[in-house]
Amino acid sequence: ELKVEQNPLFLSMQEGKNYTIYCNYSTTSDRLYWYRQDPGKSLESLFVLLSNGAVKQEGRLMASLDTKARLSTLHITAAVHDLSATYFCAVEPPFGNEKLTFGTGTRLTIIP
Amino acid sequence: DSGVTQTPKHLITATGQRVTLRCSPRSGDLSVYWYQQSLDQGLQFLIQYYNGEERAKGNILERFSAQQFPDLHSELNLSSLELGDSALYFCASSSRLAGLGYGYTFGSGTRLTVV
Repeated sequence: ELKVEQNPLFLSMQEGKNYTIYCNYSTTSDRLYWYRQDPGKSLESLFVLLSNGAVKQEGRLMASLDTKARLSTLHITAAVHDLSATYFCAVEPPFGNEKLTFGTGTRLTIIP
Repeated sequence: DSGVTQTPKHLITATGQRVTLRCSPRSGDLSVYWYQQSLDQGLQFLIQYYNGEERAKGNILERFSAQQFPDLHSELNLSSLELGDSALYFCASSSRLAGLGYGYTFGSGTRLTVV
């Protein structure tokens, strides 16, 4: 059974600082997704990572995938308040059913 | 607008009642997934349908049931409701796009409050 772990679960950081959220998964996969959720809202797709070494960047967020280590990171550069949200990673199994397995989520709070 | 439509957006009902949540997937998507998200909790996978057939089942209670219709819309039925069923219920749809993997598109959710 595919397991996905995110850490930290909660992250409080000051504006202007850098930090990284980690997503580890238990079985082979080369397709990983990051989503953002604002409180009480739906999940919005941020990044799609489809191969080992894939790196995607959007504004102050950068996501990468290391399939050999079964690890993805979401790096936040010079955080701003607008990035406060919960971030989920989701992993697609390598074969068959396309059901994604989601991590527990990381609640990020940016403090002015 | 993500293209995935969920109705209603809000629902308040009493314990013991039955409700139906509706989801219309994005045009062309054959898969529909239902998730439950309780307050400050993660996403709990309930059930998946693909082109009208049940494809995967998660932690769905026996009091809950779902189906996908020929026009691909899906309904999630929740019965004998309990206070603990209060949550956000999300529907998502997916399709295979060349080079993009599957991925999900989420609807805006239905907030169910059981009183």
